[in-house]
Amino acid sequence: SYDLTQPPSVSVSPGQTARITCSGDALPNQYGYWYQQKPGQAPILVIYKNNKRPLGIPERFSGSSSGTTVTLTISGVQAEDEADYYCQSSDSSNTFVFGGGTRLTVL
Amino acid sequence: QMQLVQSGAEVKKPGASVKVSCKASGYTFSSYDINWVRQATGQGLEWMGWMDPKSGDTAYAQKFEGRVTMTRDTSINTAYMELSSLRSEDTAVYYCAAGRGYSSPWGQGTLVTVSS
Repeated sequence: SYDLTQPPSVSVSPGQTARITCSGDALPNQYGYWYQQKPGQAPILVIYKNNKRPLGIPERFSGSSSGTTVTLTISGVQAEDEADYYCQSSDSSNTFVFGGGTRLTVL
Repeated sequence: QMQLVQSGAEVKKPGASVKVSCKASGYTFSSYDINWVRQATGQGLEWMGWMDPKSGDTAYAQKFEGRVTMTRDTSINTAYMELSSLRSEDTAVYYCAAGRGYSSPWGQGTLVTVSS
């Protein structure tokens, strides 16, 4: 197994762009996924396979990958985007790893 | 639409076992793995393992090997996660989620409290 490293917190003002990074040695060879979790709710998938957006997820959510880092970008952040965000990947035996999570605060 | 509905909250004593169910609807149960993830209060997500409902194959996180068992009943489209030798540190919300390599959708979560 291996680790995925996220910043504990990111803060942005409404309308600005939030970027949340996730670093891990296996990411050049494995896809990254992103989940949003609001208090008291189950997580929901917002980005899959590094940069694909599931149906129903707003276009302001996007993902990218470069080397050992995947990045979740939220453009034009809205108050409703305030949540915890987790990255996730898998290793060669299809075991999951989650990052420690990033608390996004909308100022 | 795809939906997972989990069983209700449980309170267990240390050393006991708990079995959480996860009923799938809105899709072919055998088409997607069922993953189990837990979250202690105020903590992050912790992957426990997955099960292939078609074959029954499983893979468990090393931390839970020997204590967790994931099974299914395909006749009622339901997956189960049993955790034994419970201790206070196992107090958490337990989630099931569908998918291979990722998880979507998720069940609503089941709170398991371990307390003497």
